[in-house]
Amino acid sequence: EPEVTQTPSHQVTQMGQEVILRCVPISNHLYFYWYRQILGQKVEFLVSFYNNEISEKSEIFDDQFSVERPDGSNFTLKIRSTKLEDSAMYFCASSEDLGHGYTFGSGTRLTVV
Amino acid sequence: RKEVEQDPGPFNVPEGATVAFNCTYSNSASQSFFWYRQDCRKEPKLLMSVYSSGNEDGRFTAQLNRASQYISLLIRDSKLSDSATYLCVVMVISGGYNKLIFGAGTRLAVHP
Repeated sequence: EPEVTQTPSHQVTQMGQEVILRCVPISNHLYFYWYRQILGQKVEFLVSFYNNEISEKSEIFDDQFSVERPDGSNFTLKIRSTKLEDSAMYFCASSEDLGHGYTFGSGTRLTVV
Repeated sequence: RKEVEQDPGPFNVPEGATVAFNCTYSNSASQSFFWYRQDCRKEPKLLMSVYSSGNEDGRFTAQLNRASQYISLLIRDSKLSDSATYLCVVMVISGGYNKLIFGAGTRLAVHP
């Protein structure tokens, strides 16, 4: 079964540092997403990406966040100047078409110390 | 009002029991509906889509009532392996784009 792959599985970083979370979506999917889940809380939408541009972003996705699809396979989330409250599980997801359920990657656990 | 509201549980049931989860959503523009399952510290995994006509997948039955903005999931003959958090999820589509809105989840613990 096709998978969404995320690396690293766990990242520890110091406050103020930049991190890049990497994702390889399913190859024939066209829509890409980042979600996050703070421990004990619900899964929250960050950003959606289609046709090489952001299609929608949430209030959480402020200027410290950016996304990029640098080549035909990778989809990255960059967090500049991390804060303690950025500590969470970050999930990448992709979908084939609008209206279809998403496939989520196994997540990157980000710990900011 | 929360966009997607679920009873947090936990539901503690013996093996073989039937258990029902309910969910309400507030955005009448929601267009697609899903139940996801999430194991502890793992990613959400799609369990099933939900349709107004109701749909069944083995021991799992999902139902959508658009008029009352209500979604349900019924699990029959519970197994130990069903223990997880069940996430009610709605999809809002607008302007050619979409996003999923998650409920906080209902925890299920199935015991021997």
